[in-house]
Amino acid sequence: AQRVTQPEKLLSVFKGAPVELKCNYSYSGSPELFWYVQYSRQRLQLLLRHISRESIKGFTADLNKGETSFHLKKPFAQEEDSAMYYCALYSNNDMRFGAGTRLTVKP
Amino acid sequence: GAGVSQSPSNKVTEKGKDVELRCDPISGHTALYWYRQSLGQGLEFLIYFQGNSAPDKSGLPSDRFSAERTGGSVSTLTIQRTQQEDSAVYLCASSLVTGFAGANVLTFGAGSRLTVL
Repeated sequence: AQRVTQPEKLLSVFKGAPVELKCNYSYSGSPELFWYVQYSRQRLQLLLRHISRESIKGFTADLNKGETSFHLKKPFAQEEDSAMYYCALYSNNDMRFGAGTRLTVKP
Repeated sequence: GAGVSQSPSNKVTEKGKDVELRCDPISGHTALYWYRQSLGQGLEFLIYFQGNSAPDKSGLPSDRFSAERTGGSVSTLTIQRTQQEDSAVYLCASSLVTGFAGANVLTFGAGSRLTVL
């Protein structure tokens, strides 16, 4: 069965500092990986997906099959990035999420 | 509707009572998911539906929890004999099921906050 691990429940950085939110997965097939974000008082929403190799709001995430990781990175964090971030793995019509990391960007 | 609708948005109940939470997915979305979000526990998978069938019920915490979906649309999550540990936000999401990698994106509802006294 697929499994997603986000080792950090809380992460705090200063504005302008780089940030990396860790995500590791366990899955025997070819994974479809996503990052979802929930800002304060908003709905959970898609941030980015690995297949698109896109940069959204300055965030990128690279799939590393050797390390089974899909870490989310941003070179210069902004205060508005403060939110709850969830890594997710999709397979066989089933989407499973990690426990989430709460990112706080301090001024 | 344009988005995923959940009701009620807030529910306060007494321990031992039954509750029903409703999810109205985006029209045409064949997949529907229920998750539970609680402090310190992240996003816990409960069940998902493909059409009206639920291939995987393993996430339901106990036999007090059940869910159904009718007409490939509205879903109801029922919690019988509620306990205080059931207090959480229950999230529903829906998606189109496609054969394209990376296209299976979930759209979430605003959630139903359940408080069991």
